[in-house]
Amino acid sequence: EAGVTQFPSHSVIEKGQTVTLRCDPISGHDNLYWYRRVMGKEIKFLLHFVKESKQDESGMPNNRFLAERTGGTYSTLKVQPAELEDSGVYFCASSRIKARQGNGNYGYTFGSGTRLTVV
Amino acid sequence: QQQVKQSPQSLIVQKGGISIINCAYENTAFDYFPWYQQFPGKGPALLIAIRPDVSEKKEGRFTISFNKSAKQFSLHIMDSQPGDSATYFCAASSGSARQLTFGSGTQLTVLP
Repeated sequence: EAGVTQFPSHSVIEKGQTVTLRCDPISGHDNLYWYRRVMGKEIKFLLHFVKESKQDESGMPNNRFLAERTGGTYSTLKVQPAELEDSGVYFCASSRIKARQGNGNYGYTFGSGTRLTVV
Repeated sequence: QQQVKQSPQSLIVQKGGISIINCAYENTAFDYFPWYQQFPGKGPALLIAIRPDVSEKKEGRFTISFNKSAKQFSLHIMDSQPGDSATYFCAASSGSARQLTFGSGTQLTVLP
């Protein structure tokens, strides 16, 4: 099966501009997650969709970030206006798993990420 | 406040040596501890994981050691190979939340 696809792979924008990142999950995966790694730091959870509904958006840093998943397929993450501290790698992950497996695994598959640089 | 602390930040090991990466956590509700491996230009991929009811799990050259009382867990890579050079992330999650809490990553370089 095709993996999780993210694009663009790289984006360089100026402070104050708008950027939209896209994630195409694995077909049939109802769960979609966004994570972000700021340079050299931990990968941090941003939000979780189940189909088109936001299940948990507790990790979204502020209202400059808007995530959508229309129709429960692909998702977009828009940053408007972008600030310097938004630079980092944005990862998307998807999972088919509805309930946690006995071994604790949620069956995440991560995309390769979008490297965002705000200058 | 970082809930999962990982060390070292970088590690250089000779081929055939043992690589050891350590993590410590605060949240006692965590009950699943995976390690992810990330190669340049790729996303993190699940390497090995452990639940707190066991103290050790081994898969090939990769072993997780878990110390529940100390709230620490570590990844041991035996007979390290140049192909193991990557960034390794420890993580944790609890049954009440689906998201993973990651450590800050360790960049491992295995010299030929």
